[in-house]
Amino acid sequence: EDKVVQSPLSLVVHEGDTVTLNCSYEVTNFRSLLWYKQEKKAPTFLFMLTSSGIEKKSGRLSSILDKKELFSILNITATQTGDSAVYLCAVANPNSGYALNFGKGTSLLVTP
Amino acid sequence: EAGVTQFPSHSVIEKGQTVTLRCDPISGHDNLYWYRRVMGKEIKFLLHFVKESKQDESGMPNNRFLAERTGGTYSTLKVQPAELEDSGVYFCASSQDEDGDGYTFGSGTRLTVV
Repeated sequence: EDKVVQSPLSLVVHEGDTVTLNCSYEVTNFRSLLWYKQEKKAPTFLFMLTSSGIEKKSGRLSSILDKKELFSILNITATQTGDSAVYLCAVANPNSGYALNFGKGTSLLVTP
Repeated sequence: EAGVTQFPSHSVIEKGQTVTLRCDPISGHDNLYWYRRVMGKEIKFLLHFVKESKQDESGMPNNRFLAERTGGTYSTLKVQPAELEDSGVYFCASSQDEDGDGYTFGSGTRLTVV
C-alpha cells in the first residue's frame, strides 16, 4: 500500500527562523509529489515536483525532490507568523485518476 | 473565478440520521474528487468523478456512502445512516486535467455525528 510519512508532526519556531519539513514516500507508481498549506479551511497549493521538476522556489519557500531516496523537503526561510499552518505532503497516484495520498501533515506555529 | 464551494460548512447530526454534503467544483473542471479527514488521521481519498462518471470509488468506506454527480456539474455525498465514526472533515477538490496538477480544494464540510 502506498505510504506518505511527514515529519515532524508539529513544530514551534520563532519569527525569523528557518524550518525544514520532511516528507518520505513509498508508492508503486510515482508521478508527482505535491505540497499544500492548510490554514483554517481549504488546503492551498504550494508546489508540485515531478521527475522533470525536482526543485521549486517561490519567495521564502522552496522544495526539492530526491527520487532516488524517495523524499522531499519543504524549506521556509525567515519565517513569519503568517506561515503558521499545517503543511501537507501528497503523492499523486496515476493508477487511480491521480487521487492524492496524503501524509498526516506538519503543524507549524511561528511565534513572534 | 469562483473556487470550489462546499455546503454546509458544518453539520451536526445524530447517529442514524442522513446527511447530504454538496460540492460545486470550478466551472469547466471535469475531474471532481472527494476526500475525508477523520480526527488524528491523514486526508484519505474517497472517490473520483470524471464528468458524471465514477472513475474510481475505491476509497468509499462502505455502502452507507453514496456519491452522485448528475449532469457532470455539482456533486453530492450522502451518508445514510450516519455512524459515529463518520465524523470528520469532508473535502472536495476539482481539476481541469487529470495529471495531479491544478487541484483546487474546497473549504470542507465538518461533519459531527453524535
